[in-house]
Amino acid sequence: GENVEQHPSTLSVQEGDSAVIKCTYSDSASNYFPWYKQELGKRPQLIIDIRSNVGEKKDQRIAVTLNKTAKHFSLHITETQPEDSAVYFCAASDYKLSFGAGTTVTVRA
Amino acid sequence: DAGVIQSPRHEVTEMGQEVTLRCKPISGHNSLFWYRQTMMRGLELLIYFNNNVPIDDSGMPEDRFSAKMPNASFSTLKIQPSEPRDSAVYFCASSSPGLEGTGELFFGEGSRLTVL
Repeated sequence: GENVEQHPSTLSVQEGDSAVIKCTYSDSASNYFPWYKQELGKRPQLIIDIRSNVGEKKDQRIAVTLNKTAKHFSLHITETQPEDSAVYFCAASDYKLSFGAGTTVTVRA
Repeated sequence: DAGVIQSPRHEVTEMGQEVTLRCKPISGHNSLFWYRQTMMRGLELLIYFNNNVPIDDSGMPEDRFSAKMPNASFSTLKIQPSEPRDSAVYFCASSSPGLEGTGELFFGEGSRLTVL
């Protein structure tokens, strides 16, 4: 089955700086790569996703890049704000989603 | 739509008792997933249904766990007998795959299970 590895496990950034989270996956058949944000005590919610026919996607302050050859994808958050503090999960899917272990992001004011 | 609805939100039980978690997916979604979340193991997929049929239950830990989806609007996850190591947050999620394949997963608020 699919194995998704995510780094780093924790990330502390100064407000206004950028945050980058990286993931690798094992199954070359995976074609859908979403990112979920989970605030403390809440459910995971989709923030951005990318499919295998696209190399990069951007939505305001967040962007995702995908390198299918190397089997890795990354999340970039620019101009971080305190409300960006949360746990972020990457995932990869051919027909079912396998999640990475999560990155706890803390934005320091 | 009210989103994915799970019950109970919190359950505290004693070891050996039966636990039943319930889920109502978003109307029109034909895929339903049960995930378990713990600090140690993260988000683990337990079972996946498509059109009410279990497609992949390879994540179900052992025979103590069972899941059903008798119709498109209801699913249950049952643990019998429960053990302290089953303590976790159990999420139900639904999606509606499109022409491109896997669609966005919409998660319920989760059921926090504590087994004493």
